[in-house]
Amino acid sequence: AQSVTQLGSHVSVSEGALVLLRCNYSSSVPPYLFWYVQYPNQGLQLLLKYTSAATLVKGINGFEAEFKKSETSFHLTKPSAHMSDAAEYFCAVSGDFGNEKLTFGTGTRLTIIP
Amino acid sequence: GAVVSQHPSRVICKSGTSVKIECRSLDFQATTMFWYRQFPKQSLMLMATSNEGSKATYEQGVEKDKFLINHASLTLSTLTVASAHPEDSSFYICSPNTGQASAKETQYFGPGTRLLVL
Repeated sequence: AQSVTQLGSHVSVSEGALVLLRCNYSSSVPPYLFWYVQYPNQGLQLLLKYTSAATLVKGINGFEAEFKKSETSFHLTKPSAHMSDAAEYFCAVSGDFGNEKLTFGTGTRLTIIP
Repeated sequence: GAVVSQHPSRVICKSGTSVKIECRSLDFQATTMFWYRQFPKQSLMLMATSNEGSKATYEQGVEKDKFLINHASLTLSTLTVASAHPEDSSFYICSPNTGQASAKETQYFGPGTRLLVL
């Protein structure tokens, strides 16, 4: 069984500041990990995913995440926040092949302060 | 990326009405379809998994007689909420998948259908 925990349901950062959204996972098999973004009244959009090829994963819109097995973490970062980054972010984990059903975290709402 | 459509995008209905939600994968064949729902300020929860031409598998706590899933073709799956009640008000999201085991495959999601039952 897999699960993810997102620490912090709300995160606020100033425009231009570092964005750090935390995600810890639990998995009985090597995990595939994902970060999705959801803008208001829209569906999910994949930001990036970890598939065991490289521990540092670069995604769209300047986001990246690092897989740390020793810490069971997959935190999402962006060096400089933009106003357009304001959205809900979900961390998710899936099973062996990475294309199976996803288990989502509870989400983190990111607010950007002008 | 792949295009997934859902119809309707938003529906308001009276309690007791049945509501059908369609999900189409427009440029690939979806052997498997995942249906999720998302209650306000909560995360997505998997409701059921269906494979084309066979019965859906429901997650624990999801009533199969209330949430009827039809996956008759590789490009269309429908979710029917039978006799909807206010507690069924939610955001329903489909996620089609080709069913091929590949780490390179990206999971796509429909834009969602917001259901409000009065």
